[in-house]
Amino acid sequence: GESVGLHLPTLSVQEGDNSIINCAYSNSASDYFIWYKQESGKGPQFIIDIRSNMDKRQGQRVTVLLNKTVKHLSLQIAATQPGDSAVYFCAEVGLGGSNYKLTFGKGTLLTVNP
Amino acid sequence: DSGVTQTPKHLITATGQRVTLRCSPRSGDLSVYWYQQSLDQGLQFLIQYYNGEERAKGNILERFSAQQFPDLHSELNLSSLELGDSALYFCASSVAPTPGEKLFFGSGTQLSVL
Repeated sequence: GESVGLHLPTLSVQEGDNSIINCAYSNSASDYFIWYKQESGKGPQFIIDIRSNMDKRQGQRVTVLLNKTVKHLSLQIAATQPGDSAVYFCAEVGLGGSNYKLTFGKGTLLTVNP
Repeated sequence: DSGVTQTPKHLITATGQRVTLRCSPRSGDLSVYWYQQSLDQGLQFLIQYYNGEERAKGNILERFSAQQFPDLHSELNLSSLELGDSALYFCASSVAPTPGEKLFFGSGTQLSVL
């Protein structure tokens, strides 16, 4: 089966609150992780990435944390806005056979209430 | 707009039929990836082409095939269609031959097999 999974399938937050979306992975050899956002009717859109030699990376209102000890990845969204409502996917890049593969988790639906 | 163009946006067909989905990558991108998205399976990697050559294979059925042409556009052919093939099919592109670089996704083709 897939090695990447999400703890929470749905998350509902109030506008202005911080959101945390979690992801577990099982392939300890994965060396690159990516968060994607998918809005209704659109394809996944890159948000932020992190290499396995880092434990934290910050973007604009988003932070990704990587805990290799427990194989856990999280996406933090500060001051969540209605426009952040979407499905969020974590994905990992690791060697699968002779080629690198990008494997997606199932996704978490984030709903932001005004 | 990601710069990746997929046509058609919607496709309705019957079981047993054959369809072709088309993808134009971002200008300058040499890699094209195909993904299938369904409610129960999430985003599943099908196949990747780099500069006209097959680079990696994922969970692609034998009834499905793809190719990348000299102008770098790609086509995904789905034959002997079954009800279970109904899904969103995404194309993504990147510059590099490996998925270590972020992918840019098109808006997808919604396939409905009746």
